[in-house]
Amino acid sequence: DAKTTQPNSMESNEEEPVHLPCNHSTISGTDYIHWYRQLPSQGPEYVIHGLTSNVNNRMASLAIAEDRKSSTLILHRATLRDAAVYYCILRDVMNTGTASKLTFGTGTRLQVTL
Amino acid sequence: DTAVSQTPKYLVTQMGNDKSIKCEQNLGHDTMYWYKQDSKKFLKIMFSYNNKELIINETVPNRFSPKSPDKAHLNLHINSLELGDSAVYFCASSQAGFDSPLHFGNGTRLTVT
Repeated sequence: DAKTTQPNSMESNEEEPVHLPCNHSTISGTDYIHWYRQLPSQGPEYVIHGLTSNVNNRMASLAIAEDRKSSTLILHRATLRDAAVYYCILRDVMNTGTASKLTFGTGTRLQVTL
Repeated sequence: DTAVSQTPKYLVTQMGNDKSIKCEQNLGHDTMYWYKQDSKKFLKIMFSYNNKELIINETVPNRFSPKSPDKAHLNLHINSLELGDSAVYFCASSQAGFDSPLHFGNGTRLTVT
């Protein structure tokens, strides 16, 4: 799986938007960009994924650069419950068989303050 | 309803013992996984099963043996436990295919003394 680079930590104020960056300069054409988050003392939780176009769901938005070498996870209004480690992961559609392992990096620890 | 449930939540045992962790998913998924999160918080895949068939085995010591009695269950048995096995073990499931998100359990914290 291709490597991703994320900042170790970020801070945000509650009720403000948060932009979490991810660099993946060696991404291949068959890599999907997935985001998961891990809240304290819980298992990872799926957030969003995309290939080329920007994506929106009830949790977040994913903005993908035109050259796909970077992406940004956008939380529109951060709450205290969004404090977690956010992982940006590349998942190769061609290297799966009937399952695809997710290779987690170190992620970005998001702190949300009042 | 808990989608992916693991038992026990905590497990404290001595070196050399044999222990099992159980995982069940009620999502109707075909694929199940075991991940290990060490003290530095790195999450690494250990095994994956699809319809009871082992499809991913990531160079895990032979002391670790997964067993899948049916596609809703994937248990992890560990023989001759060592101090380095102390970690949080997460079970996950997904539909087959690259585009299906993984659903994780809340983990089993294993402490070997």
